[in-house]
Amino acid sequence: QVQLQESGPGLVKPSQTLSLTCTVSGGSINSGDYYWSWIRQHPGKGLEWIGYIYYSGGTYYNPSVRSRVTISVDTSKNHFSLRLRSVTAADTAVYYCARTHYDSTGSSTFGPNWFDPWGQGTLVIVSS
Amino acid sequence: QSALTQPASVSGSPGQSITMSCTGTSSDVGGYNYVSWYQQYPGKAPKLMIYDVSNRPSGVSIRFSGSKSGNTASLTISGLQAEDEADYYCSSYTSSSTVVVFGGGTKLTVL
Repeated sequence: QVQLQESGPGLVKPSQTLSLTCTVSGGSINSGDYYWSWIRQHPGKGLEWIGYIYYSGGTYYNPSVRSRVTISVDTSKNHFSLRLRSVTAADTAVYYCARTHYDSTGSSTFGPNWFDPWGQGTLVIVSS
Repeated sequence: QSALTQPASVSGSPGQSITMSCTGTSSDVGGYNYVSWYQQYPGKAPKLMIYDVSNRPSGVSIRFSGSKSGNTASLTISGLQAEDEADYYCSSYTSSSTVVVFGGGTKLTVL
């Protein structure tokens, strides 16, 4: 059974870089059957997809954060990481990682389609 | 403002059935059969309940079902139980550059 676990600092100063890692256990991140996503939830608010990475290193980011975000993968450690630069208080949120399903039919690819499982989440507060 | 519209709250009594909606556009809900639903308890991670509009992952109760008509998807919970009280979020693939959108969530109260 695949499990995901987020790790990283819970407090980041404004203008600095938020860095989180998601470690995958019970399965290989090398599986071409999935993307691997970061999703965040602002306090008391809904969910916002940040972006995904494929095992080969291909990425796609939400345009709302595209200029500040990098997602990378280390298949040897079976983990993937999030870096969000120039953070402000608006980046305070619970950050989740999730295995991400996509659908490939013929020459077309559709996804992300659904997220399962999710990590337990980690709260990151941006404050001086 | 979320891309998909969900009612802020719904409620029902134990044993009853409830249906909550998730309204989008022809670019997301209406255009693709890639709607998913998530259950979230306070302080916990979301859990996948329905994928591809109406499919239930292994281990999810058969009391949960999903459907879609036009630009609106629905989640129905039958035989409501106290443990169903949670927040529910819908999500859909979209042809826009954001590729995936979520609803703002619906808080289900079991009376």
